[in-house]
Amino acid sequence: EPEVTQTPSHQVTQMGQEVILRCVPISNHLYFYWYRQILGQKVEFLVSFYNNEISEKSEIFDDQFSVERPDGSNFTLKIRSTKLEDSAMYFCASSGQPGNEQFFGPGTRLTVL
Amino acid sequence: QQQVKQSPQSLIVQKGGISIINCAYENTAFDYFPWYQQFPGKGPALLIAIRPDVSEKKEGRFTISFNKSAKQFSLHIMDSQPGDSATYFCAATKSGGYQKVTFGTGTKLQVIP
Repeated sequence: EPEVTQTPSHQVTQMGQEVILRCVPISNHLYFYWYRQILGQKVEFLVSFYNNEISEKSEIFDDQFSVERPDGSNFTLKIRSTKLEDSAMYFCASSGQPGNEQFFGPGTRLTVL
Repeated sequence: QQQVKQSPQSLIVQKGGISIINCAYENTAFDYFPWYQQFPGKGPALLIAIRPDVSEKKEGRFTISFNKSAKQFSLHIMDSQPGDSATYFCAATKSGGYQKVTFGTGTKLQVIP
């Protein structure tokens, strides 16, 4: 069964450093998303991406964040200068069509020290 | 108006019992209501979903009841099993567009033998 994969599973970084979280969506999907989940809290939408551009972003997704689809398979989330409050699980998701189910990856746990 | 409210925050049920989780929404533009199941260290996985043109949907032991006029919906887990122990998120989205998922706050279910 096709699945969304994410690397690394756990990333530890120092405050102020840049991190890149990587995702490989399901191969024939066209819509891509990043969500985050602070420990013990709900899952929050960050950004959606379609046709090589951002289609929607939340107020959390400020200038420190960027997304990219550098090739035909990867989808990345970059945090330029990490803050302590960026510590969370980051989930990538993809879907084949609007209105269809979003499939979530296993997440990357980001710890900012 | 974008919030989805969920209760209870945690739930302990005896094996074989019925688990009930309730959710409410305000935004009438939402027209697709999925429930996600999340095990520790994993991403959310779609469990069951409903559209507001039906009042109930059943898949195996899982049933969604939907009350469009009250803007409320609930998940019933019949014959709850220890393997059902997980966090459950109700969610809402608009099936058109890029359909970001708005999650409820989550219910941690523990099914005890």
